[in-house]
Formats: sequence, C-alpha cells, structure tokens
Amino acid sequence: ETGVTQTPRHLVMGMTNKKSLKCEQHLGHNAMYWYKQSAKKPLELMFVYSLEERVENNSVPSRFSPECPNSSHLFLHLHTLQPEDSALYLCASSRSEAVRSEQYFGPGTRLTVT
Amino acid sequence: AQTVTQSQPEMSVQEAETVTLSCTYDTSESDYYLFWYKQPPSRQMILVIRQEAYKQQNATENRFSVNFQKAAKSFSLKISDSQLGDAAMYFCAYRSAGAQKLVFGQGTRLTINP
Repeated sequence: ETGVTQTPRHLVMGMTNKKSLKCEQHLGHNAMYWYKQSAKKPLELMFVYSLEERVENNSVPSRFSPECPNSSHLFLHLHTLQPEDSALYLCASSRSEAVRSEQYFGPGTRLTVT
Repeated sequence: AQTVTQSQPEMSVQEAETVTLSCTYDTSESDYYLFWYKQPPSRQMILVIRQEAYKQQNATENRFSVNFQKAAKSFSLKISDSQLGDAAMYFCAYRSAGAQKLVFGQGTRLTINP
C-alpha cells in the first residue's frame, strides 16, 4: 500500500452503535488530520495530531474521539452519532516540521448514520 | 479568522479549451500559502498547485497555472487544453505560514464536455 489509506470505505451505522474509522499513512509523515466533508459545505478540519499529540480540536462534539497510537496510524472512534453526522470523512498526513509540506489525503470513508 | 470563497459552484468547458476557476480569500496575515486541490469522482484529493504568498511569480505546473493577486486577495486557477480527466471538484485552500490547518473553499465542480 502506498500513500494514505482509509478503512472502511463505506460504513452504515445506527445512532446507538460504536464504530471506528482507521487511517494509515505510508509516507513517513508525522502529522495527521481528520476532515469532515458534507454536501454543499467546505471541508471542515476536525482534529490535528503532530508527533502523536493532538494539537487542534476544532470544537468537535465528544461523540467523535480521535486516537493516534503512532505516527502512521490515526483512528476516529464514533459513538452515539446523529443523522447530521453522515458525511465523507477524510484523513490526511504531512510533515509537521516542513513549512512547505503539503497534505496528502486518503480516499475517505463514506459514513451514513441511520 | 481566515475564509476562502469560491463563487462558482459549477463550471463547464469544452475539451481542449481553457477554463479559469476563481478563488478569493480573506486574511490579515502577510505570510501564507495557497493551494488548489482536485477531487475526482473517486474522491481521493490530490494537490494540483501551490503558491507561496511571498513569491510574486505565479506558480505553474504543466497545463495548470495560477493568477495570484495578493493585494486583491485573489487566487484563480487556469487549466489550459482541458482534458476529460480534469473533470473533478476543485478546492481552493489557505494555510498560514507555520500552521498546519488548511481552510478550504466550498469547491467548484468542473465538467469537461467532449
């Protein structure tokens, strides 16, 4: 696998379920991101991890819980979601120390909350 | 807070023609980076072109070029010799120098007519 991978690609869950999204980067980066992409809205940054520490939490509800066990892996744990949380969730990575570093994106997980 | 505006929700162009996508942004900072990202229907977001605000010269990458007007806070993308593979959502994005957060516009859906 190369680049940034995300699993699963599609997820349907009920409002009372607990599920997790997984992201893995194979680029040697040390910063990872979660974005939410809803229809007709700009991409919204949710969380930023740099060197495995959370450096930004963009006022995200507590029903979304990120985890970064190492620089290559990022998880988004989901619990008691609402239908309005249905969206495409994108993971990205970059080199945190490089000011010109671009972010590389994964293909996303399409989440549907029923 | 910085904002990015793409005023064209949809654009279309004939194959082999040239098209320009508009982007304006609002910031009080003098040092920042601007990006155009492409998101094809498969959903993997890829970087098209990047511009450093301190550089007066407009960035160019093969058929893609930008018109960066710093005073006007404008950052348009020109695609020359449009190809069917250019069909995608295009997002303009802003990043402060030294920061990792990307601020995205709403996107422009580009259709290429054969």
